[in-house]
Amino acid sequence: AQSVSQHNHHVILSEAASLELGCNYSYGGTVNLFWYVQYPGQHLQLLLKYFSGDPLVKGIKGFEAEFIKSKFSFNLRKPSVQWSDTAEYFCAVNGGANNLFFGTGTRLTVIP
Amino acid sequence: GAVVSQHPSWVICKSGTSVKIECRSLDFQATTMFWYRQFPKQSLMLMATSNEGSKATYEQGVEKDKFLINHASLTLSTLTVTSAHPEDSSFYICSARGRAGTEAFFGQGTRLTVV
Repeated sequence: AQSVSQHNHHVILSEAASLELGCNYSYGGTVNLFWYVQYPGQHLQLLLKYFSGDPLVKGIKGFEAEFIKSKFSFNLRKPSVQWSDTAEYFCAVNGGANNLFFGTGTRLTVIP
Repeated sequence: GAVVSQHPSWVICKSGTSVKIECRSLDFQATTMFWYRQFPKQSLMLMATSNEGSKATYEQGVEKDKFLINHASLTLSTLTVTSAHPEDSSFYICSARGRAGTEAFFGQGTRLTVV
């Protein structure tokens, strides 16, 4: 069965600090990987996605993620966070079967 | 991005009654729709996946007779919580996707409170 792990439950950073959120998945076949963001009071939005090709993908708002197949990881990064990045971040995996599984989420709080 | 509309945004119902939640893709054809349940401060738990015109595939532990899913058209899926009980109170979120491997778009969610 597929599963997605996000080890950071709550991350607190000051503005301009660098961010890296971990995401690991368990599935042996070809996967599609996603990072979604949920701002307070809003619904989920796609930040970026990986289907194939360059393992380093760039998304909106300066976010990027790197797919490392050997580590089954798809970590999210941003060089310099802003207060407006405060939100809940979810990693999601679609592999094989017709489904889309989410990690437990990481709450990011950016202090001005 | 594409728009997915979920209705109602919130509903309060009495224990033992049924509640229907609608999920519509407004500007694209949703071949697949996903239904999730989100508990406070927790992630989205996939309940079921439905393809247009087919029976939904339920995840382990989800009662198919309690959570009825209908995906009769490429733009509409419904989730009916039958004989609702207080423990069914939760935030239900739908998601719609076109062809396989593409981005899924999310509705705004429905907060169900069973009293």
